[in-house]
Amino acid sequence: KNQVEQSPQSLIILEGKNCTLQCNYTVSPFSNLRWYKQDTGRGPVSLTIMTFSENTKSNGRYTATLDADTKQSSLHITASQLSDSASYICVVSSSGGSYIPTFGRGTSLIVHP
Amino acid sequence: DTAVSQTPKYLVTQMGNDKSIKCEQNLGHDTMYWYKQDSKKFLKIMFSYNNKELIINETVPNRFSPKSPDKAHLNLHINSLELGDSAVYFCASTQGEGGYTFGSGTRLTVV
Repeated sequence: KNQVEQSPQSLIILEGKNCTLQCNYTVSPFSNLRWYKQDTGRGPVSLTIMTFSENTKSNGRYTATLDADTKQSSLHITASQLSDSASYICVVSSSGGSYIPTFGRGTSLIVHP
Repeated sequence: DTAVSQTPKYLVTQMGNDKSIKCEQNLGHDTMYWYKQDSKKFLKIMFSYNNKELIINETVPNRFSPKSPDKAHLNLHINSLELGDSAVYFCASTQGEGGYTFGSGTRLTVV
């Protein structure tokens, strides 16, 4: 069964600090992995997409990594800002079988001043 | 210029009522979805339409009936609303292998 597990469930950090969110998946065969940011009261917005051959991808202060061998991804946020407070959702798509991507339950990040 | 717009944003209604949520996308995407986000923020697929045709229908009660008059619109009608239907409902669209573009959500509260 395809699954996506995210950790931690929630995280509180001080403004300016770095943090790393984790995503482990068992989706097979793997097609791509996306990280989404969901602000309170809004729909999720795509941050990065990673395919099998990509190890690292950056989007401003967000850097995603992918280890296809261990089926793990991380999202690193550098020099956090108050606006980074949101839920971060890992979504993994399969290249065969199920048409539906598998969603993680998200990590809730709170950045305090 | 909103890419995926859904209305209403908030909906408060009594148990047993029938209500509809509308969704429109101006991205030219072929595939549209309805997702339900529960109180623990987990997004669960309900339905997916590709070019007006239903392609995914997860284990959703028959009280939920999607309708797609054209590929730019996907509406959700809910009959005999129950307390457990309270959630945030998201409409989304995709094109090919592209990622989701989500609407801003409809918060449904059944009292």
